[in-house]
Amino acid sequence: KAGVTQTPRYLIKTRGQQVTLSCSPISGHRSVSWYQQTPGQGLQFLFEYFSETQRNKGNFPGRFSGRQFSNSRSEMNVSTLELGDSALYLCASSLEDSEGYNEQFFGPGTRLTVL
Amino acid sequence: SQQGEEDPQALSIQEGENATMNCSYKTSINNLQWYRQNSGRGLVHLILIRSNEREKHSGRLRVTLDTSKKSSSLLITASRAADTASYFCATTDSWGKLQFGAGTQVVVTP
Repeated sequence: KAGVTQTPRYLIKTRGQQVTLSCSPISGHRSVSWYQQTPGQGLQFLFEYFSETQRNKGNFPGRFSGRQFSNSRSEMNVSTLELGDSALYLCASSLEDSEGYNEQFFGPGTRLTVL
Repeated sequence: SQQGEEDPQALSIQEGENATMNCSYKTSINNLQWYRQNSGRGLVHLILIRSNEREKHSGRLRVTLDTSKKSSSLLITASRAADTASYFCATTDSWGKLQFGAGTQVVVTP
Protein backbone atom coordinates (compact mmCIF):
# COMPACT_ATOMS: atom_id res chain seq x y z
CA LYS A 1 0.00 0.00 0.00
CA ALA A 2 1.18 3.52 -0.67
CA GLY A 3 1.88 5.56 2.42
CA VAL A 4 0.48 8.90 3.42
CA THR A 5 1.44 11.57 0.92
CA GLN A 6 1.54 15.29 1.46
CA THR A 7 1.88 18.07 -1.06
CA PRO A 8 3.69 20.31 -1.42
CA ARG A 9 6.78 19.23 0.51
CA TYR A 10 8.14 22.75 0.84
CA LEU A 11 6.42 26.09 0.66
CA ILE A 12 7.51 29.68 1.15
CA LYS A 13 4.87 32.34 1.69
CA THR A 14 4.79 35.91 2.94
CA ARG A 15 2.84 37.32 5.85
CA GLY A 16 -0.81 37.93 5.13
CA GLN A 17 -1.07 35.30 2.42
CA GLN A 18 -3.06 32.13 2.71
CA VAL A 19 -1.96 28.57 2.07
CA THR A 20 -3.58 25.21 1.38
CA LEU A 21 -1.85 21.95 2.18
CA SER A 22 -2.99 18.59 0.91
CA CYS A 23 -2.89 15.11 2.39
CA SER A 24 -3.77 11.76 0.85
CA PRO A 25 -4.23 9.05 3.47
CA ILE A 26 -3.48 5.39 3.14
CA SER A 27 -6.16 3.65 1.14
CA GLY A 28 -8.97 2.55 3.43
CA HIS A 29 -8.11 4.93 6.24
CA ARG A 30 -10.98 7.24 7.07
CA SER A 31 -9.39 9.25 9.85
CA VAL A 32 -6.99 12.06 8.98
CA SER A 33 -5.29 14.22 11.59
CA TRP A 34 -3.14 17.29 11.21
CA TYR A 35 -0.30 18.41 13.46
CA GLN A 36 1.95 21.42 13.60
CA GLN A 37 5.54 20.89 14.70
CA THR A 38 7.80 23.75 15.73
CA PRO A 39 11.03 23.78 17.76
CA GLY A 40 9.40 25.86 20.46
CA GLN A 41 5.99 24.22 20.83
CA GLY A 42 6.74 20.69 19.66
CA LEU A 43 3.98 18.62 18.10
CA GLN A 44 0.62 20.28 18.44
CA PHE A 45 -2.64 18.67 17.39
CA LEU A 46 -4.61 20.80 14.94
CA PHE A 47 -7.68 18.76 14.06
CA GLU A 48 -8.95 15.37 13.04
CA TYR A 49 -11.41 14.49 10.32
CA PHE A 50 -13.37 11.28 10.05
CA SER A 51 -15.75 10.53 7.22
CA GLU A 52 -15.75 14.17 6.09
CA THR A 53 -16.60 15.50 9.56
CA GLN A 54 -14.30 17.30 11.96
CA ARG A 55 -14.25 15.05 14.98
CA ASN A 56 -11.61 16.71 17.16
CA LYS A 57 -10.04 20.11 17.27
CA GLY A 58 -6.95 21.48 18.97
CA ASN A 59 -6.39 24.95 20.38
CA PHE A 60 -5.59 26.90 17.25
CA PRO A 61 -7.16 30.13 16.03
CA GLY A 62 -9.86 30.15 13.39
CA ARG A 63 -7.28 31.01 10.73
CA PHE A 64 -6.54 27.31 10.69
CA SER A 65 -9.21 25.27 9.00
CA GLY A 66 -9.53 22.00 7.21
CA ARG A 67 -11.81 19.70 5.35
CA GLN A 68 -12.03 16.14 4.20
CA PHE A 69 -13.41 14.86 0.95
CA SER A 70 -15.45 11.76 0.25
CA ASN A 71 -12.30 9.89 -0.82
CA SER A 72 -10.78 10.71 2.61
CA ARG A 73 -8.24 13.12 1.15
CA SER A 74 -7.87 16.15 3.35
CA GLU A 75 -6.77 19.72 3.02
CA MET A 76 -5.86 22.27 5.61
CA ASN A 77 -5.90 25.98 5.05
CA VAL A 78 -4.17 28.74 6.93
CA SER A 79 -5.34 32.26 6.19
CA THR A 80 -3.60 35.55 6.95
CA LEU A 81 -0.26 33.87 7.56
CA GLU A 82 1.92 35.02 10.43
CA LEU A 83 5.64 34.51 10.95
CA GLY A 84 4.84 32.12 13.78
CA ASP A 85 3.02 29.80 11.40
CA SER A 86 6.38 28.67 10.02
CA ALA A 87 6.48 25.00 10.89
CA LEU A 88 6.46 21.43 9.69
CA TYR A 89 2.84 20.42 9.11
CA LEU A 90 2.28 16.72 9.47
CA CYS A 91 -0.68 14.73 8.34
CA ALA A 92 -1.49 11.29 9.70
CA SER A 93 -4.10 8.75 8.81
CA SER A 94 -5.38 5.89 10.87
CA LEU A 95 -7.53 2.83 10.55
CA GLU A 96 -9.51 2.54 13.70
CA ASP A 97 -10.19 -0.95 14.87
CA SER A 98 -13.34 -2.03 16.68
CA GLU A 99 -11.84 -0.96 20.00
CA GLY A 100 -10.92 2.47 18.70
CA TYR A 101 -7.13 2.04 18.81
CA ASN A 102 -5.60 4.52 16.49
CA GLU A 103 -2.06 3.90 15.33
CA GLN A 104 -1.19 6.92 13.27
CA PHE A 105 0.65 6.66 9.97
CA PHE A 106 2.42 9.89 9.20
CA GLY A 107 3.26 11.56 5.94
CA PRO A 108 6.63 13.24 5.35
CA GLY A 109 5.22 16.66 6.17
CA THR A 110 5.05 20.04 4.47
CA ARG A 111 7.69 22.51 5.54
CA LEU A 112 6.07 25.97 5.52
CA THR A 113 8.21 29.06 5.81
CA VAL A 114 6.52 32.42 6.27
CA LEU A 115 8.66 35.46 5.44
CA SER B 1 -0.34 22.31 26.22
CA GLN B 2 1.27 18.92 25.88
CA GLN B 3 0.04 15.88 27.72
CA GLY B 4 3.28 13.94 27.90
CA GLU B 5 6.65 15.02 29.15
CA GLU B 6 9.69 13.02 28.14
CA ASP B 7 12.81 12.65 30.18
CA PRO B 8 15.63 13.11 29.40
CA GLN B 9 15.37 15.78 26.70
CA ALA B 10 18.50 14.39 25.07
CA LEU B 11 20.54 11.23 25.37
CA SER B 12 23.90 10.33 23.87
CA ILE B 13 25.12 6.75 23.96
CA GLN B 14 27.48 4.41 22.13
CA GLU B 15 26.45 1.59 19.86
CA GLY B 16 25.64 -1.53 21.80
CA GLU B 17 24.47 0.31 24.89
CA ASN B 18 20.87 0.47 26.04
CA ALA B 19 18.83 3.66 25.87
CA THR B 20 16.03 4.37 28.30
CA MET B 21 13.63 7.27 28.15
CA ASN B 22 10.62 8.07 30.25
CA CYS B 23 7.30 9.71 29.64
CA SER B 24 4.92 11.14 32.21
CA TYR B 25 1.39 12.24 31.51
CA LYS B 26 -1.33 14.06 33.37
CA THR B 27 -4.79 12.67 32.69
CA SER B 28 -6.26 9.20 32.32
CA ILE B 29 -5.57 7.53 29.02
CA ASN B 30 -6.89 4.76 26.79
CA ASN B 31 -3.49 3.88 25.44
CA LEU B 32 0.02 5.22 25.08
CA GLN B 33 2.11 5.08 21.94
CA TRP B 34 5.75 5.66 21.12
CA TYR B 35 6.90 7.17 17.84
CA ARG B 36 10.28 7.84 16.26
CA GLN B 37 11.15 10.80 14.08
CA ASN B 38 14.27 11.09 12.00
CA SER B 39 15.52 14.63 11.50
CA GLY B 40 12.55 16.74 10.39
CA ARG B 41 10.67 13.93 8.71
CA GLY B 42 7.40 12.18 9.45
CA LEU B 43 6.90 10.10 12.55
CA VAL B 44 7.02 6.33 12.55
CA HIS B 45 4.87 4.35 14.94
CA LEU B 46 6.92 2.03 17.17
CA ILE B 47 4.62 0.46 19.70
CA LEU B 48 1.25 0.89 21.39
CA ILE B 49 0.51 -0.18 24.93
CA ARG B 50 -3.03 -0.27 26.23
CA SER B 51 -4.01 1.10 29.60
CA ASN B 52 -4.62 -2.42 30.95
CA GLU B 53 -1.16 -3.64 29.91
CA ARG B 54 2.01 -3.26 31.97
CA GLU B 55 4.73 -4.27 29.55
CA LYS B 56 5.14 -4.87 25.86
CA HIS B 57 8.01 -5.95 23.63
CA SER B 58 8.72 -5.42 19.98
CA GLY B 59 12.13 -6.53 18.71
CA ARG B 60 14.73 -4.51 20.60
CA LEU B 61 12.06 -2.29 22.13
CA ARG B 62 10.53 -2.74 25.55
CA VAL B 63 7.80 -0.46 26.82
CA THR B 64 6.38 -0.35 30.31
CA LEU B 65 3.33 1.46 31.56
CA ASP B 66 2.49 2.37 35.14
CA THR B 67 -0.94 3.96 35.19
CA SER B 68 -0.78 4.56 38.95
CA LYS B 69 2.25 6.78 38.40
CA LYS B 70 1.03 8.02 35.02
CA SER B 71 4.33 7.12 33.45
CA SER B 72 5.81 4.98 30.72
CA SER B 73 9.32 4.03 29.72
CA LEU B 74 10.86 3.01 26.41
CA LEU B 75 13.98 0.87 26.43
CA ILE B 76 16.02 0.32 23.28
CA THR B 77 18.46 -2.52 23.78
CA ALA B 78 21.75 -2.97 21.93
CA SER B 79 21.41 0.40 20.23
CA ARG B 80 22.64 1.03 16.70
CA ALA B 81 23.64 4.20 14.87
CA ALA B 82 20.36 3.91 12.93
CA ASP B 83 18.46 4.40 16.20
CA THR B 84 19.58 8.04 16.21
CA ALA B 85 16.31 9.96 16.17
CA SER B 86 13.81 11.79 18.33
CA TYR B 87 11.41 9.63 20.28
CA PHE B 88 7.96 10.81 21.29
CA CYS B 89 5.34 9.38 23.54
CA ALA B 90 1.72 10.09 22.70
CA THR B 91 -1.38 9.53 24.74
CA THR B 92 -4.92 9.03 23.56
CA ASP B 93 -7.57 10.60 25.75
CA SER B 94 -11.16 9.45 26.07
CA TRP B 95 -12.10 11.67 23.13
CA GLY B 96 -9.62 9.93 20.89
CA LYS B 97 -7.31 12.91 20.67
CA LEU B 98 -3.63 12.07 20.38
CA GLN B 99 -1.30 14.35 22.30
CA PHE B 100 2.47 14.20 22.00
CA GLY B 101 5.20 14.92 24.47
CA ALA B 102 8.20 17.13 23.76
CA GLY B 103 10.38 14.20 22.75
CA THR B 104 13.77 12.77 23.63
CA GLN B 105 16.63 13.27 21.18
CA VAL B 106 18.78 10.15 21.06
CA VAL B 107 22.21 10.13 19.45
CA VAL B 108 23.96 6.79 19.05
CA THR B 109 27.63 7.06 18.15
CA PRO B 110 29.53 4.21 16.47
